[in-house]
Amino acid sequence: GAGVSQTPSNKVTEKGKYVELRCDPISGHTALYWYRQSLGQGPEFLIYFQGTGAADDSGLPNDRFFAVRPEGSVSTLKIQRTERGDSAVYLCASTNGGGGGTGELFFGEGSRLTVL
Amino acid sequence: AQSVSQHNHHVILSEAASLELGCNYSYGGTVNLFWYVQYPGQHLQLLLKYFSGDPLVKGIKGFEAEFIKSKFSFNLRKPSVQWSDTAEYFCAVKSRNNNDMRFGAGTRLTVKP
Repeated sequence: GAGVSQTPSNKVTEKGKYVELRCDPISGHTALYWYRQSLGQGPEFLIYFQGTGAADDSGLPNDRFFAVRPEGSVSTLKIQRTERGDSAVYLCASTNGGGGGTGELFFGEGSRLTVL
Repeated sequence: AQSVSQHNHHVILSEAASLELGCNYSYGGTVNLFWYVQYPGQHLQLLLKYFSGDPLVKGIKGFEAEFIKSKFSFNLRKPSVQWSDTAEYFCAVKSRNNNDMRFGAGTRLTVKP
């Protein structure tokens, strides 16, 4: 597509439920990032993929969070046993820069998650 | 991993005032530097970027930034702000060795008409 697409744009769920957030990057972009942005804060790094593999998942807050990118394109962020503190906007971005690349990140509109 | 500090949380200016937003980073290796802007209700957009060469880079809408390697800084400037510049501004640092990119906490700019 023309840009990074994220679905759903809004998700309201109850504490303890399982949530999946999807990201469809710009076609041909090899690197894909997930960030989390809370109100009044900058994007907090979660994980990034180079191709199908997670190159760095050090930002995932705990083992309730998991992300996959099985075919090197679409990625899904999965959150188990959601907690109220997980409420935030989850941002996806992609770039065509490889290792050492200088490509800027192109961001999606984000998925706003609200955990009641 | 690298980290980014933005000194100003909220800046309020009148139209035509000059702007400078501070950004410092910590990282031992070579980096690329970015400023992103987020207008109300919109997604993050690139304002300008520095990769190499002239440390003074010019971006869209009259913004510029200067990379001072010795100070690990990449401050954003604009000589005369407009009401439409009201937005949140984020500094970001990306390692040249990989695709690891980190953002600062952001500076909210409010321009009074």
